[in-house]
Amino acid sequence: GENVEQHPSTLSVQEGDSAVIKCTYSDSASNYFPWYKQELGKRPQLIIDIRSNVGEKKDQRIAVTLNKTAKHFSLHITETQPEDSAVYFCAASSGAGGTSYGKLTFGQGTILTVHP
Amino acid sequence: NAGVTQTPKFQVLKTGQSMTLQCAQDMNHNSMYWYRQDPGMGLRLIYYSASEGTTDKGEVPNGYNVSRLNKREFSLRLESAAPSQTSVYFCASRGDPYNEQFFGPGTRLTVL
Repeated sequence: GENVEQHPSTLSVQEGDSAVIKCTYSDSASNYFPWYKQELGKRPQLIIDIRSNVGEKKDQRIAVTLNKTAKHFSLHITETQPEDSAVYFCAASSGAGGTSYGKLTFGQGTILTVHP
Repeated sequence: NAGVTQTPKFQVLKTGQSMTLQCAQDMNHNSMYWYRQDPGMGLRLIYYSASEGTTDKGEVPNGYNVSRLNKREFSLRLESAAPSQTSVYFCASRGDPYNEQFFGPGTRLTVL
């Protein structure tokens, strides 16, 4: 099955700095890569996603890059703000291919702390 | 439009007791999922249902059973709870394999 590794496990930055979180995946059939943000005591919520036919996607201060050859993808947050502090999870899925039925395999999470 | 709802929000069980966690979605999604979240372990898939009438095991199914009651509802049952099942449980649903998976608010379960 799919295996997703996420690094770093914790990340501390100053307000205004950039933050980068990296994930690698094992299944070359994976073709959908979402990122979720989870605030303390809350449910995970999607912040950005990318499909395998795209190398980069940007939404305001958040961007995701994908390298299918190397099987890794990254989340970039620019001009960080204290409200960006949360746990971030990457995930990978092979869509509806085979018997996966769109199952997501999650990384272990990154605790991001943005200091004012 | 409530999205994905879960009951109860909190539950404390004694070892050996049984209980059912309820999940419902009002987005007409075909696929539904149950995850558990433990510190440092991310979200691990317990069971999923690709469509009404089908269920399948995920990464950590031992000690659990599920029922896809209809298109809206997907329940998770612990037949004989163990302390190792202390966790936060999230239900999720998804309409399209390439689109967002929506999560419920979670159930915090403690087994003593």
